[in-house]
Parts: sequence; C-alpha cells; structure tokens
Amino acid sequence: QVQLVQSGAEVKKPGSSVKVSCKASGGTFSSYAISWVRQAPGQGLEWMGGIIPIFGTANYAQKFQGRVTITADESTSTAYMELSSLRSEDTAVYYCARDREDIVATILFHWFDPWGQGTLVTVSS
Amino acid sequence: SSELTQDPAVSVALGQTVRITCQGDSLRSYYASWYQQKPGQAPVLVIYGKNNRPSGIPDRFSGSSSGNTASLTITGAQAEDEADYYCNSRDSSGNHLGEVFGGGTKLTVL
Repeated sequence: QVQLVQSGAEVKKPGSSVKVSCKASGGTFSSYAISWVRQAPGQGLEWMGGIIPIFGTANYAQKFQGRVTITADESTSTAYMELSSLRSEDTAVYYCARDREDIVATILFHWFDPWGQGTLVTVSS
Repeated sequence: SSELTQDPAVSVALGQTVRITCQGDSLRSYYASWYQQKPGQAPVLVIYGKNNRPSGIPDRFSGSSSGNTASLTITGAQAEDEADYYCNSRDSSGNHLGEVFGGGTKLTVL
C-alpha cells in the first residue's frame, strides 16, 4: 500500500520561495504521476501541477506557470514542489497525491489516491 | 480552463438518500472522481471511474454520470458522512491538459 509522507509546516516571508517534499513508500514510485493540490484556509481544492517521475516532465496549471516547479528524485522516491515569489494568498495547505489513470470503453478517467497528510505553508511578513 | 460546478451545501436526514451533483463540460469526455474531506484531514477518494469504490469505502457510496453531470449518491447517510465533498475531472480545454476541481459541497447529516 503506497503511503505519501510530506515535509513539515513552513513559515515564509513574502517574495521568498518554499520547497515541499513528498516521500513515497510501499509501492512503485516512478511509473505513477504525482500531483500537487493546495487548499487555502476555508477554500476548496486547487490543482497546481503534476509529474510522472519516470519521464521527469512536469505539467502545470496555467495559474501557476512560471512560479511553480515540480520535480522528482527516483533514487529517494521523493517528489518536490517549489513555489516562488510567495505572497499572502499562497498561505494554504499543500497536498501531494498519486495520480492514476485508466480508460474504459473509450472514456478516460483518473483519480488521486492516496494523498499525503498535507503541509501548511504560511506566508507572512 | 473549464469549470466544475457544485452546490455549496446539501443536507440529508440520517438514514436517507442524498445526491451531490457536479456539472461541467469536461464531464462529457471524462468520468469524475469524488473526494470526501473532513475538517483538518486530507481528502479521501470515495468514487472514481464509472462507479468504482476504493477498498474500505462503504457500498452506500455510488457514482453515476449523464451528459455534463456527475453525481455522487449516498444511500442511507450516516452521521460520519458529514463532510465536504469535491468532484474532480481532467480539463482538456484550450491547449492545456490539467485537472479541475469543483468548488465543493458541504454535506450536513441531520
């Protein structure tokens, strides 16, 4: 059973960067995508981007293009999400999740499972 | 990017059936997945694909889809089902392939 364990809470100044890690255990890391999803206080879920470690190429939500970098280290089964130019609106819980995909009768579907426990990033001066 | 629309709040009497809906153009091409989130916890997958439940999810949870609408049905709602529910789908609008979540539905079990 795959488990995802994330790094601890961070407090950052506006304009700085944060890098959150997500370590996988108990399964195959490289062949499944890992996505990052954030949730601002009292708000909904927002997909930021994802990566398939074996390919190493990340895909980002347009909103975060140029500000987020998602990477993966196959040797340690760890994915990373780095967000730069932080502002107060980036205060949120950041989750990683395994992103799986399948197709049945020409209809594609995917799902996020499991999720990491979340990492609170607080941006404050 | 495309959007997924959910009712902000729904209530159900204990033991009754409730349907939570999710509307969006991307649902004409992709099945939705559904997530349950309780306060202070990470989301948990409850339904994916046409109507698949991960192991450990009670069979009172089911999913369906028609046109641009996906639905999550809880048959015989329990007190522990009180939570926020989010739908999710691929987003292939424009030239960008990504993911999109609905705004979430807060389910209250009365």
